[in-house]
Amino acid sequence: DGGITQSPKYLFRKEGQNVTLSCEQNLNHDAMYWYRQDPGQGLRLIYYSQIVNDFQKGDIAEGYSVSREKKESFPLTVTSAQKNPTAFYLCASSRTTNEKLFFGSGTQLSVL
Amino acid sequence: DAKTTQPPSMDCAEGRAANLPCNHSTISGNEYVYWYRQIHSQGPQYIIHGLKNNETNEMASLIITEDRKSSTLILPHATLRDTAVYYCIVRVGGSARQLTFGSGTQLTVLP
Repeated sequence: DGGITQSPKYLFRKEGQNVTLSCEQNLNHDAMYWYRQDPGQGLRLIYYSQIVNDFQKGDIAEGYSVSREKKESFPLTVTSAQKNPTAFYLCASSRTTNEKLFFGSGTQLSVL
Repeated sequence: DAKTTQPPSMDCAEGRAANLPCNHSTISGNEYVYWYRQIHSQGPQYIIHGLKNNETNEMASLIITEDRKSSTLILPHATLRDTAVYYCIVRVGGSARQLTFGSGTQLTVLP
């Protein structure tokens, strides 16, 4: 089945630790995105990538980092600089940045 | 990019039409209206989008006013599985950015 796979579904982070969230797509989409969602809130854009080896900051990039070494993969690292990382993280992709988004099922990150 | 305003919650009886409004009074001429929905703890799902004309697909209809300052998403025969948060966003066609999704409308379909 074609789609977007996020893993793990649940992740726990200790103080001062970096953690990486995985996002893989087999839709052959050029563009990929990371969003953060806090309880009862909408989605805020963290980073996006239009093509391989290129990515841009979104509205809340501080404390996060990404890479786009392969077309199908766009991992997100939540660094220790992110002081309030507990949230639901959603990855999305689109054929181009001009087209509709397809979302993964999300990763819930919590701080121990 | 224009901002949108949606009511925080709405109820609808099962089998009836659900009409979800969205105001986007500062929309520009080249901005599209998109609708997505999110069922609890899942990723949002695309529903429909349009620029000026009304649009219909297998999921819903989108009615955009002539001045483009507001729109309505219509689910013609709501079912319990349509209970979700519905997001209305506007974005420029060809824009490299995807807008922040606002808080949306929580639609509850009642049996």
